[in-house]
Amino acid sequence: KQEVTQIPAALSVPEGENLVLNCSFTDSAIYNLQWFRQDPGKGLTSLLLIQSSQREQTSGRLNASLDKSSGRSTLYIAASQPGDSATYLCAVPLNDYKLSFGAGTTVTVRA
Amino acid sequence: KAGVTQTPRYLIKTRGQQVTLSCSPISGHRSVSWYQQTPGQGLQFLFEYFSETQRNKGNFPGRFSGRQFSNSRSEMNVSTLELGDSALYLCASSLGQGSQEQYFGPGTRLTVT
Repeated sequence: KQEVTQIPAALSVPEGENLVLNCSFTDSAIYNLQWFRQDPGKGLTSLLLIQSSQREQTSGRLNASLDKSSGRSTLYIAASQPGDSATYLCAVPLNDYKLSFGAGTTVTVRA
Repeated sequence: KAGVTQTPRYLIKTRGQQVTLSCSPISGHRSVSWYQQTPGQGLQFLFEYFSETQRNKGNFPGRFSGRQFSNSRSEMNVSTLELGDSALYLCASSLGQGSQEQYFGPGTRLTVT
């Protein structure tokens, strides 16, 4: 059974600081790993998708790395802004196309 | 390209009633998945449909059911509502292969009183 863990559960940083969010998973046989952002009461916005054959993926200020052998992914957000305040979730699909989600990291960026 | 749409966005029902939620996937996407999100349990998988066939089902009671139409639109139904069914219900669409990106809709907030 795939278990996905995100540490820390919450994070508060001053504006301009870089953010480092961690995601670990127990079964390394994954197709890909996806990072999402969720604002309170809203749906999930896809941020980055890393295929199992990739080591990292970048989009603007966001960079995500994937180390399948150690079962870890890290999302880096450079030069954080108050608008980056949200909950960030990582998810991995299983063979049956079900996504297993971590519990998320709630980020607060203080102005 | 339009994103995933869900209707209605908000619902208030009383215990014992039933409810139907609708999800329209991104054009060309054939897979639709449903998730329940609650503060205590997080995101839990309900079921997934591909080309009108249910391929996967999560650990929810039989009161939760779904279907997919030939145009890939999907509905989920919850019968005999319980207070614990209050949640944000999210649907996601993808092309249908395991390596493809999942796109989520805005969700339907269901409150059972």
